[in-house]
Amino acid sequence: EPEVTQTPSHQVTQMGQEVILRCVPISNHLYFYWYRQILGQKVEFLVSFYNNEISEKSEIFDDQFSVERPDGSNFTLKIRSTKLEDSAMYFCASSDRQGGNQPQHFGDGTRLSIL
Amino acid sequence: GNSVTQMEGPVTLSEEAFLTINCTYTATGYPSLFWYVQYPGEGLQLLLKATKADDKGSNKGFEATYRKETTSFHLEKGSVQVSDSAVYFCALIPTGANNLFFGTGTRLTVIP
Repeated sequence: EPEVTQTPSHQVTQMGQEVILRCVPISNHLYFYWYRQILGQKVEFLVSFYNNEISEKSEIFDDQFSVERPDGSNFTLKIRSTKLEDSAMYFCASSDRQGGNQPQHFGDGTRLSIL
Repeated sequence: GNSVTQMEGPVTLSEEAFLTINCTYTATGYPSLFWYVQYPGEGLQLLLKATKADDKGSNKGFEATYRKETTSFHLEKGSVQVSDSAVYFCALIPTGANNLFFGTGTRLTVIP
């Protein structure tokens, strides 16, 4: 069964550094998402992406965050200047259509640790 | 606003016991409702879903019924197995939206 893959599985970065989290969505999917889960808290929506542009974003997704689909397969989340509170598990997801009828398929996540 | 409230965990059950994990939601309109499962070391996997009132989602022996009158979507399984040990997340997508709102997750441990 096709899978969403995320790399790396664990990223350790110094505060203030830039970090890029990578995702390869399922190949025929058109809608892409990033979520994060701070330890002990809920999984929270960050951003959705369709047709090479952001379609929706939460208040968490401020100017420090950006997303990009640099080629036909990768979908990246960049944090420009990391803060301690960015430490979390980041999940990428994709779906072939949008809306409540279409399940989102998740990757295994990248654990980001900011020192 | 939109939110999901899940039963606090962790939950520990013996094999073949009956499982209920409570989930209630707040949303406008008619959200779609989901249960996701996260096995150790893995990502979130869709377990089941229901998209309208009175729908029952089912998969792998798990069931949940969309109850509009009580705004609930409780997860049940008649006889749990050790392999069901995981974290279970209740979630919703509001009408007209595309992003998921998750509950806090409930860790289930099944002991032989």
